[in-house]
Amino acid sequence: DVKVTQSSRYLVKRTGEKVFLECVQDMDHENMFWYRQDPGLGLRLIYFSYDVKMKEKGDIPEGYSVSREKKERFSLILESASTNQTSMYLCASSYLQDQHFGDGTRLSIL
Amino acid sequence: GDSVTQMEGPVTLSEEAFLTINCTYTATGYPSLFWYVQYPGEGLQLLLKATKADDKGSNKGFEATYRKETTSFHLEKGSVQVSDSAVYFCALTRSGGGADGLTFGKGTHLIIQP
Repeated sequence: DVKVTQSSRYLVKRTGEKVFLECVQDMDHENMFWYRQDPGLGLRLIYFSYDVKMKEKGDIPEGYSVSREKKERFSLILESASTNQTSMYLCASSYLQDQHFGDGTRLSIL
Repeated sequence: GDSVTQMEGPVTLSEEAFLTINCTYTATGYPSLFWYVQYPGEGLQLLLKATKADDKGSNKGFEATYRKETTSFHLEKGSVQVSDSAVYFCALTRSGGGADGLTFGKGTHLIIQP
């Protein structure tokens, strides 16, 4: 079974901090994704990657960056955290169209 | 751009009732369509999918048929259980290889009462 592991379930950070969210998958999937989930807005795509060192902007990339140095690991970076980035962040991986999700990181920016 | 519209709820039903959650989409070409389910405190799980018109996806008693003429992919179940209580997301992708990510609806919160 595919396992997508996000490093933290809950995280509290302060405004202006640089924040790293880590995601690891164990199925050698080419594609990896970062979404944020907000009540009434559903899931929105932040960034995705289809290969090591490759990255593409999704629908809401502003204020975020990503890193994919190894195939199994995809990191989301908040360069200077702001309160409007308080949200649930979900990582996913896929070989073709079927995406497998981690359990999410609930991030609070104070 | 692509979009997915679904009823937001909450939808509250009694156990053994018939379930329909409506989903319609806007996209060019022939997208693949999905239903994902999110149980409390967990990530999303793929429930079912359909990749071409008139395909029916099914899993765990849930079904949905890809209707190109009405651009719809409604989720149905004949007899719901308390354990079906969750948030359900309709989604689509136009990427055959899956590299471009999914476009999601806002989710429908389903509550099943015993």
